[in-house]
Amino acid sequence: GESVGLHLPTLSVQEGDNSIINCAYSNSASDYFIWYKQESGKGPQFIIDIRSNMDKRQGQRVTVLLNKTVKHLSLQIAATQPGDSAVYFCAENNYGQNFVFGPGTRLSVLP
Amino acid sequence: DAGITQSPRHKVTETGTPVTLRCHQTENHRYMYWYRQDPGHGLRLIHYSYGVKDTDKGEVSDGYSVSRSKTEDFLLTLESATSSQTSVYFCAMTGTLGVYGYTFGSGTRLTVV
Repeated sequence: GESVGLHLPTLSVQEGDNSIINCAYSNSASDYFIWYKQESGKGPQFIIDIRSNMDKRQGQRVTVLLNKTVKHLSLQIAATQPGDSAVYFCAENNYGQNFVFGPGTRLSVLP
Repeated sequence: DAGITQSPRHKVTETGTPVTLRCHQTENHRYMYWYRQDPGHGLRLIHYSYGVKDTDKGEVSDGYSVSRSKTEDFLLTLESATSSQTSVYFCAMTGTLGVYGYTFGSGTRLTVV
């Protein structure tokens, strides 16, 4: 499939362990954040979102944490599976402007 | 994918030729976007549209033009392809800005030789 980033930071985790992927966003005024997953050869897919009036949001096996003080977003994946191997990137939105995307992190799940 | 398709999926073209990529959506979404994705750069916005005949430039618009004559179609044209435009191109859409995220197409891999 297409290479989405030859120079991306890579996180390697053992299957079954928890993964934490971090993102530093740029605009302190951003009020809406999304995590996307991109598998090789595919377009980015929505995983989970969070608004600035929240600190934490949980989905199925995923949790997003927002720290507005330091402009930091994290994605936690519980019991990481081989199908979680992908590039993950965050996106921020400032009150209806176009989204701004982070560079991404490659997650590699080891058997 | 989820009501948005891109064509072609792969294309090889020669330097100096015009190329048009098509994005088609069936969701009646107002907002549509064209991005390119390159190693080390992530997603970079080329052009976007806020409705029929309403388009604007993104951060890397030089050498590209777009058209939106119908809600469902957003065309990206490389007026005279160059090797620096070899990339993977993604189209995206959303119905409401700042309320929902974007839904992306599957991408077009363009190689300019």
